[in-house]
Amino acid sequence: AQKITQTQPGMFVQEKEAVTLDCTYDTSDQSYGLFWYKQPSSGEMIFLIYQGSYDEQNATEGRYSLNFQKARKSANLVISASQLGDSAMYFCAMIIRGGGSNYKLTFGKGTLLTVNP
Amino acid sequence: EAQVTQNPRYLITVTGKKLTVTCSQNMNHEYMSWYRQDPGLGLRQIYYSMNVEVTDKGDVPEGYKVSRKEKRNFPLILESPSPNQTSLYFCASSFKGANQPQHFGDGTRLSIL
Repeated sequence: AQKITQTQPGMFVQEKEAVTLDCTYDTSDQSYGLFWYKQPSSGEMIFLIYQGSYDEQNATEGRYSLNFQKARKSANLVISASQLGDSAMYFCAMIIRGGGSNYKLTFGKGTLLTVNP
Repeated sequence: EAQVTQNPRYLITVTGKKLTVTCSQNMNHEYMSWYRQDPGLGLRQIYYSMNVEVTDKGDVPEGYKVSRKEKRNFPLILESPSPNQTSLYFCASSFKGANQPQHFGDGTRLSIL
């Protein structure tokens, strides 16, 4: 069964600095998709970035980029130039493309990021 | 504005009193799903639907029902709520495909006393 591991329960970063949030995954499938979501203290779940297992280039979306290392099965999120509003819980998640008709997201336990002024 | 709308946002109720959490999306998504989020357990899928009149169980379906009579709506029904269903619930929707990001509603915080 697929599994997502986020080993950093909490991270601190100074405003304007870059930060990397770790994510490793375990699957025997060759075809899968990796996602990062942000959950602020208000509770909503916000999609940030997507990486497909066959994508050769690392995904980028504004200040977010995904450092995808397929052989190591890691998909780390890099946030450049941190802002106070980046303080939130961050979840790494995966969908297996061969998983029939259920596009179930399997989530990691999350990393709580705190940006200090 | 493209969005997934859940109602209510907060609800405190008592054991055994039937309740429905509504979910509506305006993005013409085929796929919809319900998750619950609990401390230490993360997000777990309750039910999902691939299209109108097509629903199936996720990982934790016991105590819940769903229906998909229209493409935009996917209500979650608790026929006889119990305290162990106290949780934060999310509805999500997407186009079909494992490369499609799921868009989440703002969440419904349920407390069953």
